[in-house]
Amino acid sequence: KAGVTQTPRYLIKTRGQQVTLSCSPISGHRSVSWYQQTPGQGLQFLFEYFSETQRNKGNFPGRFSGRQFSNSRSEMNVSTLELGDSALYLCASSSSWGGRTDTQYFGPGTRLTVL
Amino acid sequence: DAKTTQPNSMESNEEEPVHLPCNHSTISGTDYIHWYRQLPSQGPEYVIHGLTSNVNNRMASLAIAEDRKSSTLILHRATLRDAAVYYCIPLIQGAQKLVFGQGTRLTINP
Repeated sequence: KAGVTQTPRYLIKTRGQQVTLSCSPISGHRSVSWYQQTPGQGLQFLFEYFSETQRNKGNFPGRFSGRQFSNSRSEMNVSTLELGDSALYLCASSSSWGGRTDTQYFGPGTRLTVL
Repeated sequence: DAKTTQPNSMESNEEEPVHLPCNHSTISGTDYIHWYRQLPSQGPEYVIHGLTSNVNNRMASLAIAEDRKSSTLILHRATLRDAAVYYCIPLIQGAQKLVFGQGTRLTINP
């Protein structure tokens, strides 16, 4: 079974631009979560989706948004990019949502650099 | 969110056992303890999880204290490939999100 795939793997943008990142979960998985990883803040939760509905959102500004499609694929969008948005963006999928034993499977991430 | 405390770094030798501690004194009675690790230049990967009793799988063992305020991840024979940052994470009902702390950076010496 193929793992979680994220595209693109690397991206360079300039301040003020917007960016869309894509995540394809493991086949059959219906839950997708997004995380941001920076050297200063570590791994931080962005949002999670299940059955096309956002179930939880982290403490990030409204410039960060996401959605999930009927095939469980997910996208996240960052508008008006700032230098501080440079980070590794990780997507994780899970077969279900909300269970305390659910395992999340992470993709390799998208490395975003904002100049 | 339950707060966790882990040592910033640990070092061990190849083929020796490694015990990675985690304090989670604010955990609730129904929160499972999950462990993930992140190898260099990769996304995190699941290692193991448990509730009250000790758990084993092909990767590691998890020993949970009787009062559930702490747990220990045990790698029985460390290899160079086990060098990673290890995170212990309480997972609460109704929220899929993983709250990562700073984790423990494990170095394995050949």
